[in-house]
Amino acid sequence: EPEVTQTPSHQVTQMGQEVILRCVPISNHLYFYWYRQILGQKVEFLVSFYNNEISEKSEIFDDQFSVERPDGSNFTLKIRSTKLEDSAMYFCASRGLRYNTEAFFGQGTRLTVV
Amino acid sequence: AQTVTQSQPEMSVQEAETVTLSCTYDTSESDYYLFWYKQPPSRQMILVIRQEAYKQQNATENRFSVNFQKAAKSFSLKISDSQLGDAAMYFCASRGMYSGGGADGLTFGKGTHLIIQP
Repeated sequence: EPEVTQTPSHQVTQMGQEVILRCVPISNHLYFYWYRQILGQKVEFLVSFYNNEISEKSEIFDDQFSVERPDGSNFTLKIRSTKLEDSAMYFCASRGLRYNTEAFFGQGTRLTVV
Repeated sequence: AQTVTQSQPEMSVQEAETVTLSCTYDTSESDYYLFWYKQPPSRQMILVIRQEAYKQQNATENRFSVNFQKAAKSFSLKISDSQLGDAAMYFCASRGMYSGGGADGLTFGKGTHLIIQP
C-alpha cells in the first residue's frame, strides 16, 4: 500500500540553527500539507501546497518557515533560526486530486530544539 | 473559519463494550468533510472514518460508525466491541470541500484519549 514517508524520524538541533524536514508524498497525489503537534496538544495546520505553490497557510507559518518541492518527489519544510518552542512533532500529509479524498499522513518527524 | 471541539479529554471502556466519543464543530462552509483520526502511541495519524456533510446517511466502517447531526453540528464516533488495539488518541477533524481551491487543511479538535480496560 502506498504511504507517505518522512525523514528523519527524530531530529535534534541547537537553538538558532536551520533544519529541513523531508517528506515523500504518495506518488500520484497533488495536494501536500505540513502539520505540527506540540507534545500533548492538538494537531495544527501549517501550510498546504498545490501546483508548485502555497495554497493556504496558517498564522503559525510565518517567515521562519518555508516549503519546497525541489525535484517532483520530495516535499520539504525548512525552519530557519529554530526556537525552543519549535520543538514538536511535524507531520507531512498528501491527498489526491478529487475533492472527496482524504489526507494520508506520514509517521512524523520529532523535532527537538535544545 | 472552522472550529472543532472535543469535550472529553479521556474516556475509558471495558474490552468488548461500546463507547461513543463526542465532537462538535462550527464552520462557515456550505460543503465540508468530517473525519475521525486515530493516533496510537507510535503517533502516526490514521484515518478511521470519513463523512461527507452533504450525505444524510451515517458513515460506517466495520466496528466504527458515526452519528452525524448536521443541524446540531455534532459528529460522534461509536466504537463497538472495543478491542485493546483501539487504545489511542482520537481526533475529530473537519475540512472545507471547495475553499482554497480544494486545498484546505484539516482543522483538528484537541483529542480524546481512549483507554481500553481488559
